[in-house]
Parts: sequence; structure tokens; C-alpha cells
Amino acid sequence: GQNIDQPTEMTATEGAIVQINCTYQTSGFNGLFWYQQHAGEAPTFLSYNVLDGLEEKGRFSSFLSRSKGYSYLLLKELQMKDSASYLCAVRFNNAGNMLTFGGGTRLMVKP
Amino acid sequence: ETGVTQTPRHLVMGMTNKKSLKCEQHLGHNAMYWYKQSAKKPLELMFVYSLEERVENNSVPSRFSPECPNSSHLFLHLHTLQPEDSALYLCASSFRLAASGANVLTFGAGSRLTVL
Repeated sequence: GQNIDQPTEMTATEGAIVQINCTYQTSGFNGLFWYQQHAGEAPTFLSYNVLDGLEEKGRFSSFLSRSKGYSYLLLKELQMKDSASYLCAVRFNNAGNMLTFGGGTRLMVKP
Repeated sequence: ETGVTQTPRHLVMGMTNKKSLKCEQHLGHNAMYWYKQSAKKPLELMFVYSLEERVENNSVPSRFSPECPNSSHLFLHLHTLQPEDSALYLCASSFRLAASGANVLTFGAGSRLTVL
């Protein structure tokens, strides 16, 4: 199967910058997604990368390196409401183009 | 509210019960999904319906039975479940399964299932 690896938990301070990493097996790669999930709520779409480089969307940016099987989600000017789980998901064309999710990174933002 | 509604939000059932989870979307999507989210585990795809064709994860036990009567509604029928089936069951929808592009999943808030 295709493993998606990301840290289980991270802690950061309000106003700071945090980078959440995600690594995956490169075979069959066909796009990478980041979702945010607050406790007890639905996961919501944050970003999509399929080409190498940085995609910026307000305070959030997502980076992809296809050759390294690596992505990160960068959150700037952290706010308390950013405390949530961040899910990395990869679409593999050798898996029917279904998404394979990582275990999620629980981010705690402290004052 | 994401546009995908799941009911019930919470369900407690015994191992001999039969219950169903319901999902409804009015986003014009034509693919619907059931995912299982257990503590400290990745989201696990259980079933996909796309253009009335079903794709399933072969590791899902037969005590879970999906039904998709139309493109807006999806059910998960549950019978003789085990305590290890306790989890959050998430429904999602999207436009058809796309081999390219940002085919974004829209999730419901989930049905929290506890099997006693």
C-alpha cells in the first residue's frame, strides 16, 4: 500500500509560523491535498498541489517536491482558531485515483 | 454546514442491532463516499459510488452494507457490528472521480458510532 507519513502532534505559539511535513511513496503520484479538521467537525479542503513548488493562499501555503515525495503545509501568523488536525492526502493513479490519507497532525496553538 | 448532511450525528448500538447511517448532499456532485475515522488511524475509504458504479475496499467486512439510491443520497446499513467498529463514519461527495485536477471532497460532520 501507499504510506503517507506526517507527525502526530505539534505545538506552536500564537503569532508564530509552523510547518507540517508530509512524506509519501512517489510511485503513481497524481496530486496531493491538505485538509483541516476541527474537533467534532467535517474535514475541509485547504490546498491542492500537483506540480513542484509553492501554492500560497492567504496565511496558508503548501509546498510540493514530487521527486522527493515530500510536501509541507506552512501556517503563518498563527491564531488560536488554527488549533485543529491537518490531514495530508495523496491521489495515486495506480489506486483508482482514490485519496489515501495520512494519520493527520494535531496542531495545538498556545497563547 | 458544508452541504453534506449526515444523520444521526451520534449512535449507540448493541452488537445484535441493525441500524443505518444516512448522508445527503445537494451540491450537484455525482460521487459519494464512506470513510471510517478511528482514533489515531488514517481515514480509511470504505465505499465509493460514482455514476451509479460502486467501488469498495475489499477489507471492509460484510456487516457494513452501502446503498446509493440516487446521486444525492447514500446509506450505510449496519448489522451485527463489533466493538472495534466504534468510530466516526464520514460521508463525502465530489464531482466524478477525476484522474486530474483538484477533485475536492466535501465532507459531512460525521456519525459517531459506539458499539457496545
